[in-house]
Amino acid sequence: GENVEQHPSTLSVQEGDSAVIKCTYSDSASNYFPWYKQELGKGPQLIIDIRSNVGEKKDQRIAVTLNKTAKHFSLHITETQPEDSAVYFCAASTERFGAGTRLTVKP
Amino acid sequence: EAQVTQNPRYLITVTGKKLTVTCSQNMNHEYMSWYRQDPGLGLRQIYYSMNVEVTDKGDVPEGYKVSRKEKRNFPLILESPSPNQTSLYFCASSSRSTPNQPQHFGDGTRLSIL
Repeated sequence: GENVEQHPSTLSVQEGDSAVIKCTYSDSASNYFPWYKQELGKGPQLIIDIRSNVGEKKDQRIAVTLNKTAKHFSLHITETQPEDSAVYFCAASTERFGAGTRLTVKP
Repeated sequence: EAQVTQNPRYLITVTGKKLTVTCSQNMNHEYMSWYRQDPGLGLRQIYYSMNVEVTDKGDVPEGYKVSRKEKRNFPLILESPSPNQTSLYFCASSSRSTPNQPQHFGDGTRLSIL
């Protein structure tokens, strides 16, 4: 079955810096790659997703890139703010998740 | 408001005492699933349901049961809970009318089995 690896497991940045989280997947048939943000005491919420017919997608400060040949995709957050602090999960297909990245943005 | 509702949010109980965690969604979604979240392991799927009366095992189904008698509800049953089922549980739902739709998650149920 699909295996998703996510790195790093923790990431600490200064406010205003960029943050990058990377994921790799194993099943070349996967064609949907959502990213979720989980705040304390809440369930994961979709922040951005990308489908395999697209190489990059951007929504304000958040962007996702996909390299289907190398089977990896990344989340980029620019101009980070303290409210970006959360746990972020990548997924390949709808149900297979990475282990999560705890992002801390220091003011 | 579109939402997935889980109850209870917190539960402390003892080994062997049957418990049920309820999950309800108001978005008329066909697909519903249960996950457990453990440190360093991310979200692992326990069971899922493609539609009413259709359920299937995920990656970690041992010790759990589910049922899907109605489209909106998908309860998780632990018939004889054990301490290794202490975890944070999430219910999720998504539409399957079009492919590749994101899941909507509840706010979680923290279970402690003593």
